[in-house]
Amino acid sequence: GNSVTQMEGPVTLSEEAFLTINCTYTATGYPSLFWYVQYPGEGLQLLLKATKADDKGSNKGFEATYRKETTSFHLEKGSVQVSDSAVYFCALRNNAGNMLTFGGGTRLMVKP
Amino acid sequence: DGGITQSPKYLFRKEGQNVTLSCEQNLNHDAMYWYRQDPGQGLRLIYYSQIVNDFQKGDIAEGYSVSREKKESFPLTVTSAQKNPTAFYLCASSDGRDKYNQPQHFGDGTRLSIL
Repeated sequence: GNSVTQMEGPVTLSEEAFLTINCTYTATGYPSLFWYVQYPGEGLQLLLKATKADDKGSNKGFEATYRKETTSFHLEKGSVQVSDSAVYFCALRNNAGNMLTFGGGTRLMVKP
Repeated sequence: DGGITQSPKYLFRKEGQNVTLSCEQNLNHDAMYWYRQDPGQGLRLIYYSQIVNDFQKGDIAEGYSVSREKKESFPLTVTSAQKNPTAFYLCASSDGRDKYNQPQHFGDGTRLSIL
């Protein structure tokens, strides 16, 4: 079956630090990969996506590259801000259907 | 603007009472989903519907019921059989089965608490 594994949080960084949140997956076929962000008390917002191997998704300074050889989709940002504090979810959707499989989420806390 | 509207934002339930959470979308999406999120946890799928008048159980369907009489609406009823209903409930929608590279779009959630 499909599964997504994320690094456990919380991840605590100082403002302007470099961010990496690891995500690895197990899936049949060739899934599409997504990162969602959830701010306190809100729903999930799509942050970025990649639909095939070697694609790079990017948005708001965040990037993630679809690595089929390592089955990974790590989220990176060169310089985090306090406003980036949130929970980040990695997810996949495979071509056997339209279900999303989520990782457990990683809480990011950025301190001034 | 197109999007998903969940209501109410906060809901309180008495013991033995059924409550219904509303989810409406104007994105013309075929598929809709209900998730439950507990504090510090990921999302667990309760029910999903890929087309009007059809729905399927997810991983934690016991104590919940849904209907899909209209494309834009997918209400969730939390029944008295659900013994631990306190959670944050998220509704989502997406394009149909053949558009697997499309994301799910989420509402802002309903927080349900027991009185």
